[in-house]
Amino acid sequence: QKEVEQDPGPLSVPEGAIVSLNCTYSNSAFQYFMWYRQYSRKGPELLMYTYSSGNKEDGRFTAQVDKSSKYISLFIRDSQPSDSATYLCAMSGLSGGYNKLIFGAGTRLAVHP
Amino acid sequence: EPEVTQTPSHQVTQMGQEVILRCVPISNHLYFYWYRQILGQKVEFLVSFYNNEISEKSEIFDDQFSVERPDGSNFTLKIRSTKLEDSAMYFCASRVNTGELFFGEGSRLTVL
Repeated sequence: QKEVEQDPGPLSVPEGAIVSLNCTYSNSAFQYFMWYRQYSRKGPELLMYTYSSGNKEDGRFTAQVDKSSKYISLFIRDSQPSDSATYLCAMSGLSGGYNKLIFGAGTRLAVHP
Repeated sequence: EPEVTQTPSHQVTQMGQEVILRCVPISNHLYFYWYRQILGQKVEFLVSFYNNEISEKSEIFDDQFSVERPDGSNFTLKIRSTKLEDSAMYFCASRVNTGELFFGEGSRLTVL
């Protein structure tokens, strides 16, 4: 079983739709959860950061973590064509600053006008 | 807004040549990383660096790779003798302590 599983898509939605992106993981030690957006041939851009379980909202983005199910989600409300990108989930478990992130494969999202 | 900067943005090299990729992390950050992404694949951890030493490295990071922080601002990744399979995007990242990890725009390495 892979440590982090993420459906690669592609996911195609109309402008204004609510998008749901998900990852599952197997390592119960993971405590830090992040979502990154990556445009083609660019660096990952941090969107959301969550520690442990719960929800976090930032503008049109909401991140949810359910540690009991080992499942994390990113919701995008009122999706825009500019949201078209690959979304990467990433997580880590060790305390301290040198814990490495384990990434999902990324989900390609296309928002069409 | 502070950002991680990387140079060069693209480097083409011949197999067997040495390559140095450079990074300037965000100024108050203490932990530094290199990640790699082969085209169409996952972002993979290579190495982490703290307090002037390697704190963790992956299986990918073999003897051909080395990292250095030669002064107070730069963080470099050296590949001693490049192979075709080293062709990838290399990302530098930094963080203050726990919490958010910020990435640079990447250096694309093409080995011919």
